[in-house]
Amino acid sequence: GAGVSQSPRYKVAKRGQDVALRCDPISGHVSLFWYQQALGQGPEFLTYFQNEAQLDKSGLPSDRFFAERPEGSVSTLKIQRTQQEDSAVYLCASSLGRDATMEQYFGPGTRLTVT
Amino acid sequence: GNSVTQMEGPVTLSEEAFLTINCTYTATGYPSLFWYVQYPGEGLQLLLKATKADDKGSNKGFEATYRKETTSFHLEKGSVQVSDSAVYFCALSVDNFNKFYFGSGTKLNVKP
Repeated sequence: GAGVSQSPRYKVAKRGQDVALRCDPISGHVSLFWYQQALGQGPEFLTYFQNEAQLDKSGLPSDRFFAERPEGSVSTLKIQRTQQEDSAVYLCASSLGRDATMEQYFGPGTRLTVT
Repeated sequence: GNSVTQMEGPVTLSEEAFLTINCTYTATGYPSLFWYVQYPGEGLQLLLKATKADDKGSNKGFEATYRKETTSFHLEKGSVQVSDSAVYFCALSVDNFNKFYFGSGTKLNVKP
C-alpha cells in the first residue's frame, strides 16, 4: 500500500517568504508527527496530532511555525517569514494508533532551503 | 530532561565483523526505546524497540537490550553485511507520551 508522502520534496524560499509543507499520512493512521532534521543531526520533534487534535506543539521553535490537520488526515506545516535557520529537512511520520510504542512510518521529507 | 546520546560516526567495518553502536539516555519518567534505520535514499524505518527494562528487541539479526541500571540501549549485530550500510538512530519516548527524542545518528559503512 501507499506510504507517507510529502510535498514538495524540495522547496527554495527567499528569506521572509511564507511556505506550506504538506503531509499525506497512511490512510487510517490516527497519529501524525512533524520533525525538523538539520544536516547531520537526528530528527527534532515539532508537533503531534491525534486525529485532528494537536495534542503537543511544544517543539515548534517559534510562533512563525504553525501546523494543522483539520480533517484528521492530511496535515500542513506552515512557516511564516522564513529565516535562514529554518533551512532543514522537514519529516512527517504517522502511526496507526495512540500508543507511543507503535511504529512510526516516515515520509521522504521536504528539504527547505532559505536563501 | 529527556535526551539520547549516540556514539559518533562514521563507523567503518568489514563484512562479517561484529557491530556495536552505543546509545545512552536520560529520562524524567519511564522510557520506551527504539532504533530506527535510514538506508541510502530512503525514509527512516523502525528496526527494533523495547518498552520495559531488561527487554531485548531484535530484528534482521540486530539486537538491543534495555538496561535501566546503565541507562543504555546499545545496538549489536554479530556479522554485518554490506547491505547494513545506513544511518542508525536511537530514540526514546517517555511515559507513553507521543513526543520522541532522537539521537544524532551513527553512520555505518560496511566494506566487502
